[in-house]
Amino acid sequence: SQKIEQNSEALNIQEGKTATLTCNYTNYSPAYLQWYRQDPGRGPVFLLLIRENEKEKRKERLKVTFDTTLKQSLFHITASQPADSATYLCALPPNDYKLSFGAGTTVTVRA
Amino acid sequence: DGGITQSPKYLFRKEGQNVTLSCEQNLNHDAMYWYRQDPGQGLRLIYYSQIVNDFQKGDIAEGYSVSREKKESFPLTVTSAQKNPTAFYLCASSIKTARNQPQHFGDGTRLSIL
Repeated sequence: SQKIEQNSEALNIQEGKTATLTCNYTNYSPAYLQWYRQDPGRGPVFLLLIRENEKEKRKERLKVTFDTTLKQSLFHITASQPADSATYLCALPPNDYKLSFGAGTTVTVRA
Repeated sequence: DGGITQSPKYLFRKEGQNVTLSCEQNLNHDAMYWYRQDPGQGLRLIYYSQIVNDFQKGDIAEGYSVSREKKESFPLTVTSAQKNPTAFYLCASSIKTARNQPQHFGDGTRLSIL
């Protein structure tokens, strides 16, 4: 069956450090992968989309990699700030009509 | 400001009661979606609609119904047949259904049983 797995443990890091989150998938062959941010009690907000032929994509302090051989995406937050504290979700399209989401990784950045 | 509005923010259901969750978007998007989010689980797709007057079942449609009579509106009814309705419900939209389309989400409705 298709599965998306993200770091099961919450991530606690010191301000200024880099947070690295993992998204592993099985039984998918996605052409695209997306990352979202979700704050408590709010809906997810789209952050980045990466295509299968892109090894890396950046947006400000965020960096995403996509390795279709390892079936893995890494999401990096560099120079982290307390405002980066949130849950981060990865999402894959199993077909043309929908997205499947991982359970998310909660990041807490300590000042 | 364009976006998705979900109402109410909190909703309580009595036994045997149907309740309807509202979702309105002013983004002029063709596609709309309903998800359910439970603690520790990923979002699960209930229904989606590619265009007005069309909708399809998602992965967990049993006990739910939808309509899409207007482009901007996609209400979800949680029927009494849904035995475990307590969850956080999220509505989303995208320009169209396609693998490379980001989804825009509302801020959810939290449904609880009385």
